[in-house]
Amino acid sequence: DAGVTQSPTHLIKTRGQQVTLRCSPKSGHDTVSWYQQALGQGPQFIFQYYEEEERQRGNFPDRFSGHQFPNYSSELNVNALLLGDSALYLCASSFRADTSQAFFGQGTRLTVV
Amino acid sequence: DAKTTQPPSMDCAEGRAANLPCNHSTISGNEYVYWYRQIHSQGPQYIIHGLKNNETNEMASLIITEDRKSSTLILPHATLRDTAVYYCIVRGVGNTGKLIFGQGTTLQVKP
Repeated sequence: DAGVTQSPTHLIKTRGQQVTLRCSPKSGHDTVSWYQQALGQGPQFIFQYYEEEERQRGNFPDRFSGHQFPNYSSELNVNALLLGDSALYLCASSFRADTSQAFFGQGTRLTVV
Repeated sequence: DAKTTQPPSMDCAEGRAANLPCNHSTISGNEYVYWYRQIHSQGPQYIIHGLKNNETNEMASLIITEDRKSSTLILPHATLRDTAVYYCIVRGVGNTGKLIFGQGTTLQVKP
């Protein structure tokens, strides 16, 4: 049983560019949440997708957007990258939007130069 | 969700019990205490959760004080692989949406 898978594992982008990160949830899960983790900090909630809709959103600008597909996989898009967007981006999956026992992927390490 | 306070770091000798404290003095009656850990370069991993009774699973034990204002996560026989950042989170069961992570406690297990 595959857990949560994220791709790519590492990525280097230039300031101003756009990036797309991908997440496949654990088998049987239908909800995907995205988190940003800056170095030395705890993960910060970006948004959650359930039934292909954004259900909740954290304090992140509109440059951060997402999508959920019918197979429950999800994408995180970040436009107009800033140096401060450099972070580990984590995807967490759960069932029916209950994130109490969420399963996290290994993350995508994004570096903006 | 109630705020939690954890010490920034702790050391533990390999094979000994690791006791990680968490204060949550503003916890409400229907809020649970959850523990996650994050091993370096990996995503957070769920460990255990509880309401008011002590809980135990294959990974750890959770002791919650009678007034529920604090709790302790116990790793009974710490190994080097338990070196990680441990996060204490307070929230309602069945609650949708975000997990609020603080700074956590960095546990260093030493040989």
